[in-house]
Amino acid sequence: NAGVTQTPKFQVLKTGQSMTLQCAQDMNHEYMSWYRQDPGMGLRLIHYSVGAGITDQGEVPNGYNVSRSTTEDFPLRLLSAAPSQTSVYFCASSRGQSYGYTFGSGTRLTVV
Amino acid sequence: KNEVEQSPQNLTAQEGEFITINCSYSVGISALHWLQQHPGGGIVSLFMLSSGKKKHGRLIATINIQEKHSSLHITASHPRDSAVYICASRGATNKLIFGTGTLLAVQP
Repeated sequence: NAGVTQTPKFQVLKTGQSMTLQCAQDMNHEYMSWYRQDPGMGLRLIHYSVGAGITDQGEVPNGYNVSRSTTEDFPLRLLSAAPSQTSVYFCASSRGQSYGYTFGSGTRLTVV
Repeated sequence: KNEVEQSPQNLTAQEGEFITINCSYSVGISALHWLQQHPGGGIVSLFMLSSGKKKHGRLIATINIQEKHSSLHITASHPRDSAVYICASRGATNKLIFGTGTLLAVQP
């Protein structure tokens, strides 16, 4: 019963590098989303998905790509990392409107 | 655009005190979530409510839809309650909009 699994937990990137943050859930949740958390600001939605094959942009999508080929996985891709993308990233999933959210443990990303 | 405001931003309490954290939102919502985040830790969902009141152990969450206001109460606070408490509104599109959190420190 793993819930939402995020990998890696920590990552340091150089400016311009690309990488993928992984998110997987084993609860058969249709709704998955990615957030970033920055000091002094609330969590902000980057991208979300309401089911396999369906994704949409959130509040701060620039510089990030997502795909949802399966119900279980929702990876977040940084195309060309920038120092402004230094943040803590959380993935979350939910069964739907009438249900709560389950969050992953977070990925702390530093771009130098 | 829905904004979510929390107060206070920081709160220090003595062990055993009754604590209240407030959350206001600006537009209609389908649900209001309360979350807990320990320093350096992950985020745990405490409550999801769309009306009335919910209780779990020493935690109580209330919501007033007409006033667009919710409160999180902690009775008989304990140092292990020290954490950031976050409220988030959920609209018809299923997206969450978060407040900036309330940092609670409970001193023994």
